[in-house]
Amino acid sequence: DTEVTQTPKHLVMGMTNKKSLKCEQHMGHRAMYWYKQKAKKPPELMFVYSYEKLSINESVPSRFSPECPNSSLLNLHLHALQPEDSALYLCASSPETRAGGLNTEAFFGQGTRLTVV
Amino acid sequence: LAKTTQPISMDSYEGQEVNITCSHNNIATNDYITWYQQFPSQGPRFIIQGYKTKVTNEVASLFIPADRKSSTLSLPRVSLSDTAVYYCLVAMIYNQGGKLIFGQGTELSVKP
Repeated sequence: DTEVTQTPKHLVMGMTNKKSLKCEQHMGHRAMYWYKQKAKKPPELMFVYSYEKLSINESVPSRFSPECPNSSLLNLHLHALQPEDSALYLCASSPETRAGGLNTEAFFGQGTRLTVV
Repeated sequence: LAKTTQPISMDSYEGQEVNITCSHNNIATNDYITWYQQFPSQGPRFIIQGYKTKVTNEVASLFIPADRKSSTLSLPRVSLSDTAVYYCLVAMIYNQGGKLIFGQGTELSVKP
Protein backbone atom coordinates (compact mmCIF):
# COMPACT_ATOMS: atom_id res chain seq x y z
CA ASP A 1 0.00 0.00 0.00
CA THR A 2 1.75 3.16 -1.21
CA GLU A 3 -1.17 5.51 -0.82
CA VAL A 4 -2.06 8.48 1.30
CA THR A 5 -5.83 8.55 1.61
CA GLN A 6 -7.71 11.76 2.36
CA THR A 7 -11.36 12.13 3.24
CA PRO A 8 -13.61 13.72 2.30
CA LYS A 9 -12.67 14.57 -1.27
CA HIS A 10 -14.95 17.61 -1.26
CA LEU A 11 -16.33 19.64 1.65
CA VAL A 12 -18.59 22.67 1.77
CA MET A 13 -18.94 24.32 5.16
CA GLY A 14 -20.37 27.47 6.63
CA MET A 15 -18.34 29.96 8.57
CA THR A 16 -19.84 28.82 11.88
CA ASN A 17 -19.39 25.09 11.27
CA LYS A 18 -16.86 22.72 12.77
CA LYS A 19 -15.51 20.01 10.48
CA SER A 20 -12.49 17.73 10.26
CA LEU A 21 -10.29 16.56 7.42
CA LYS A 22 -8.77 13.11 7.71
CA CYS A 23 -5.60 11.61 6.33
CA GLU A 24 -4.38 8.02 6.58
CA GLN A 25 -1.26 6.17 5.47
CA HIS A 26 -0.13 2.60 6.10
CA MET A 27 3.42 2.87 4.79
CA GLY A 28 4.98 3.18 8.23
CA HIS A 29 6.03 6.75 7.55
CA ARG A 30 6.95 8.77 10.62
CA ALA A 31 6.51 12.28 9.22
CA MET A 32 3.16 13.66 8.12
CA TYR A 33 2.33 17.06 6.67
CA TRP A 34 -0.59 19.37 5.96
CA TYR A 35 -0.42 21.75 3.00
CA LYS A 36 -2.87 24.32 1.67
CA GLN A 37 -3.02 25.06 -2.05
CA LYS A 38 -4.92 27.87 -3.75
CA ALA A 39 -5.65 27.78 -7.46
CA LYS A 40 -2.62 28.34 -9.69
CA LYS A 41 -0.35 28.61 -6.63
CA PRO A 42 2.20 26.21 -5.12
CA PRO A 43 1.32 24.20 -2.01
CA GLU A 44 1.97 26.10 1.23
CA LEU A 45 3.26 24.15 4.21
CA MET A 46 1.00 24.40 7.28
CA PHE A 47 2.09 21.74 9.77
CA VAL A 48 4.64 18.94 10.14
CA TYR A 49 4.25 16.02 12.53
CA SER A 50 7.32 13.96 13.29
CA TYR A 51 6.98 10.74 15.28
CA GLU A 52 3.43 11.82 16.20
CA LYS A 53 4.60 15.12 17.66
CA LEU A 54 3.94 18.52 16.13
CA SER A 55 7.35 19.74 15.01
CA ILE A 56 6.52 22.62 12.67
CA ASN A 57 3.64 25.10 12.68
CA GLU A 58 4.07 27.66 9.92
CA SER A 59 2.21 30.39 11.85
CA VAL A 60 -1.14 28.95 10.90
CA PRO A 61 -4.25 30.66 12.42
CA SER A 62 -5.78 28.82 15.38
CA ARG A 63 -8.97 28.14 13.44
CA PHE A 64 -6.92 25.27 11.97
CA SER A 65 -6.07 22.65 14.58
CA PRO A 66 -4.01 19.58 13.65
CA GLU A 67 -4.08 16.29 15.49
CA CYS A 68 -2.06 13.10 15.10
CA PRO A 69 -3.86 10.31 17.01
CA ASN A 70 -1.34 7.66 15.93
CA SER A 71 1.42 7.08 13.42
CA SER A 72 -1.04 6.31 10.60
CA LEU A 73 -3.59 9.06 11.05
CA LEU A 74 -3.55 12.83 10.75
CA ASN A 75 -6.53 15.09 11.24
CA LEU A 76 -7.11 18.77 10.59
CA HIS A 77 -9.91 20.28 12.65
CA LEU A 78 -11.58 23.32 11.19
CA HIS A 79 -13.60 25.92 13.08
CA ALA A 80 -14.88 29.39 12.22
CA LEU A 81 -13.21 29.45 8.83
CA GLN A 82 -13.37 32.35 6.41
CA PRO A 83 -14.21 32.24 2.69
CA GLU A 84 -10.55 32.94 1.89
CA ASP A 85 -9.68 29.60 3.52
CA SER A 86 -11.31 27.85 0.58
CA ALA A 87 -8.55 25.79 -1.05
CA LEU A 88 -7.25 22.30 -1.75
CA TYR A 89 -5.88 20.81 1.47
CA LEU A 90 -3.16 18.24 0.91
CA CYS A 91 -1.79 15.68 3.30
CA ALA A 92 1.60 14.04 2.78
CA SER A 93 3.87 11.58 4.54
CA SER A 94 7.52 10.66 4.27
CA PRO A 95 9.65 7.77 5.50
CA GLU A 96 12.76 7.60 7.61
CA THR A 97 16.08 7.52 5.83
CA ARG A 98 18.50 4.65 6.27
CA ALA A 99 20.82 6.99 8.15
CA GLY A 100 18.07 8.12 10.46
CA GLY A 101 16.07 11.30 10.18
CA LEU A 102 13.28 11.83 7.71
CA ASN A 103 13.30 11.69 3.94
CA THR A 104 12.21 14.50 1.62
CA GLU A 105 10.55 11.99 -0.73
CA ALA A 106 7.00 12.73 0.35
CA PHE A 107 3.88 10.93 -0.76
CA PHE A 108 0.85 13.16 -1.23
CA GLY A 109 -2.83 12.40 -1.05
CA GLN A 110 -5.34 13.61 -3.63
CA GLY A 111 -6.46 16.40 -1.35
CA THR A 112 -9.73 17.70 0.06
CA ARG A 113 -11.33 20.51 -1.92
CA LEU A 114 -12.74 22.81 0.76
CA THR A 115 -15.26 25.56 0.07
CA VAL A 116 -16.23 27.94 2.88
CA VAL A 117 -19.52 29.75 2.32
CA LEU B 1 15.49 28.03 3.98
CA ALA B 2 16.87 28.32 0.46
CA LYS B 3 14.53 29.96 -2.04
CA THR B 4 14.24 28.55 -5.53
CA THR B 5 13.75 30.32 -8.85
CA GLN B 6 12.59 28.54 -11.97
CA PRO B 7 10.93 29.56 -15.25
CA ILE B 8 7.21 30.13 -14.95
CA SER B 9 6.38 28.19 -18.10
CA MET B 10 7.93 26.12 -20.88
CA ASP B 11 6.63 24.65 -24.11
CA SER B 12 7.86 21.48 -25.78
CA TYR B 13 6.83 18.91 -28.38
CA GLU B 14 6.33 15.22 -28.00
CA GLY B 15 9.53 13.21 -28.22
CA GLN B 16 11.81 16.08 -27.25
CA GLU B 17 14.07 16.23 -24.23
CA VAL B 18 13.05 18.92 -21.76
CA ASN B 19 15.47 20.55 -19.35
CA ILE B 20 14.14 22.71 -16.53
CA THR B 21 16.73 24.67 -14.59
CA CYS B 22 16.26 25.83 -11.03
CA SER B 23 18.35 28.42 -9.23
CA HIS B 24 18.98 28.09 -5.48
CA ASN B 25 21.81 30.46 -4.70
CA ASN B 26 21.66 30.23 -0.91
CA ILE B 27 21.41 26.47 -0.62
CA ALA B 28 22.80 25.21 2.67
CA THR B 29 25.11 22.31 3.34
CA ASN B 30 22.31 20.13 4.70
CA ASP B 31 19.85 20.87 1.87
CA TYR B 32 18.80 18.30 -0.70
CA ILE B 33 17.35 19.21 -4.10
CA THR B 34 14.04 17.58 -4.84
CA TRP B 35 11.64 17.77 -7.78
CA TYR B 36 7.91 17.13 -7.80
CA GLN B 37 5.31 16.93 -10.57
CA GLN B 38 1.71 18.02 -10.15
CA PHE B 39 -1.30 17.49 -12.38
CA PRO B 40 -4.44 19.62 -11.93
CA SER B 41 -6.54 18.69 -8.89
CA GLN B 42 -4.02 16.08 -7.74
CA GLY B 43 -1.37 16.03 -5.06
CA PRO B 44 2.28 16.53 -6.09
CA ARG B 45 4.23 13.42 -7.01
CA PHE B 46 7.91 12.95 -6.15
CA ILE B 47 10.13 12.68 -9.23
CA ILE B 48 13.75 12.73 -8.13
CA GLN B 49 16.10 13.91 -5.41
CA GLY B 50 19.82 14.60 -5.29
CA TYR B 51 22.61 16.19 -3.30
CA LYS B 52 25.39 16.58 -5.87
CA THR B 53 26.56 15.48 -9.35
CA LYS B 54 24.05 13.43 -11.30
CA VAL B 55 21.13 11.26 -10.30
CA THR B 56 19.07 9.19 -12.70
CA ASN B 57 15.95 7.12 -12.24
CA GLU B 58 13.39 5.57 -14.56
CA VAL B 59 11.62 8.87 -15.29
CA ALA B 60 14.21 11.67 -15.10
CA SER B 61 17.76 12.80 -14.50
CA LEU B 62 18.94 15.49 -12.16
CA PHE B 63 22.15 17.38 -12.81
CA ILE B 64 23.74 19.34 -9.97
CA PRO B 65 26.99 21.30 -10.51
CA ALA B 66 29.74 21.35 -7.91
CA ASP B 67 28.66 24.65 -6.36
CA ARG B 68 25.07 23.34 -5.98
CA LYS B 69 23.62 26.79 -6.66
CA SER B 70 21.47 25.44 -9.47
CA SER B 71 20.09 22.16 -10.71
CA THR B 72 18.56 20.89 -13.93
CA LEU B 73 15.76 18.39 -14.24
CA SER B 74 15.95 16.50 -17.51
CA LEU B 75 12.90 14.69 -18.89
CA PRO B 76 13.81 12.46 -21.86
CA ARG B 77 11.38 12.15 -24.79
CA VAL B 78 8.37 13.85 -23.25
CA SER B 79 4.83 12.86 -24.11
CA LEU B 80 1.52 14.71 -23.85
CA SER B 81 0.98 13.15 -20.43
CA ASP B 82 4.04 15.01 -19.10
CA THR B 83 2.08 18.27 -19.29
CA ALA B 84 2.09 19.37 -15.66
CA VAL B 85 3.61 21.79 -13.17
CA TYR B 86 7.14 20.90 -12.04
CA TYR B 87 8.39 22.14 -8.68
CA CYS B 88 11.99 22.44 -7.57
CA LEU B 89 12.51 22.35 -3.82
CA VAL B 90 15.50 22.49 -1.55
CA ALA B 91 14.77 20.73 1.68
CA MET B 92 16.81 20.14 4.75
CA ILE B 93 16.64 16.64 6.11
CA TYR B 94 16.65 16.65 9.87
CA ASN B 95 15.11 14.58 12.60
CA GLN B 96 12.02 16.75 12.84
CA GLY B 97 11.11 16.14 9.20
CA GLY B 98 12.10 17.40 5.80
CA LYS B 99 10.75 20.95 5.62
CA LEU B 100 9.44 20.94 2.08
CA ILE B 101 8.79 24.45 0.81
CA PHE B 102 7.49 24.67 -2.75
CA GLY B 103 8.61 27.43 -5.13
CA GLN B 104 6.44 28.87 -7.86
CA GLY B 105 6.87 25.93 -10.23
CA THR B 106 7.28 25.60 -13.98
CA GLU B 107 4.18 24.90 -16.03
CA LEU B 108 5.28 22.56 -18.83
CA SER B 109 3.06 22.25 -21.87
CA VAL B 110 3.81 19.39 -24.27
CA LYS B 111 2.28 19.71 -27.72
CA PRO B 112 1.75 17.04 -30.36
